[in-house]
Amino acid sequence: DAKTTQPNSMESNEEEPVHLPCNHSTISGTDYIHWYRQLPSQGPEYVIHGLTSNVNNRMASLAIAEDRKSSTLILHRATLRDAAVYYCTASYGKLTFGQGTILTVHP
Amino acid sequence: GAGVSQSPSNKVTEKGKDVELRCDPISGHTALYWYRQRLGQGLEFLIYFQGNSAPDKSGLPSDRFSAERTGESVSTLTIQRTQQEDSAVYLCASSFRPRVDTGELFFGEGSRLTVL
Repeated sequence: DAKTTQPNSMESNEEEPVHLPCNHSTISGTDYIHWYRQLPSQGPEYVIHGLTSNVNNRMASLAIAEDRKSSTLILHRATLRDAAVYYCTASYGKLTFGQGTILTVHP
Repeated sequence: GAGVSQSPSNKVTEKGKDVELRCDPISGHTALYWYRQRLGQGLEFLIYFQGNSAPDKSGLPSDRFSAERTGESVSTLTIQRTQQEDSAVYLCASSFRPRVDTGELFFGEGSRLTVL
């Protein structure tokens, strides 16, 4: 698994876009990039994942750098419910999670 | 139920006692994972089951930890002679796909273990 680096915390205002960065400079060719989030006192929840191309789903978008050494999770319009710890992983076959980014959303 | 179910939700035990934590995955999910999350930390991989076999046990921290899965369904994580450093939330996750890269993991809400 590639080592990932994320900011400890970020803040956003409600209804504004949020860009959460992740560095995974040691990523290998078979490693997928996954994003999960964890609300307080809950288990993690899947957000999105991809390999090389940018991905969109109903929750978010994933922008992957051309060299795959970094990626950005994009929440298009943050809501209060999006306040959580966001984990980025770059792995193959199993997930390992670092400490993630604590996202605070202000009303 | 529709999701991954874990029990007990909370367990307080004395140092040296054995504990068993149970996970009921989503029906039909062949892959099952156990993770440990210490307070304020990320998730630490423990073990992965595909069916009833465990091809990856690399995350089990010591021989006091063991896990089994039966009927390609329920899994039990056993911690023998518990130590205070075992205090954590133990999370179970399951997946329809044999490898997580081809699908998402569904997590339970965890079992919080406190060793006094």
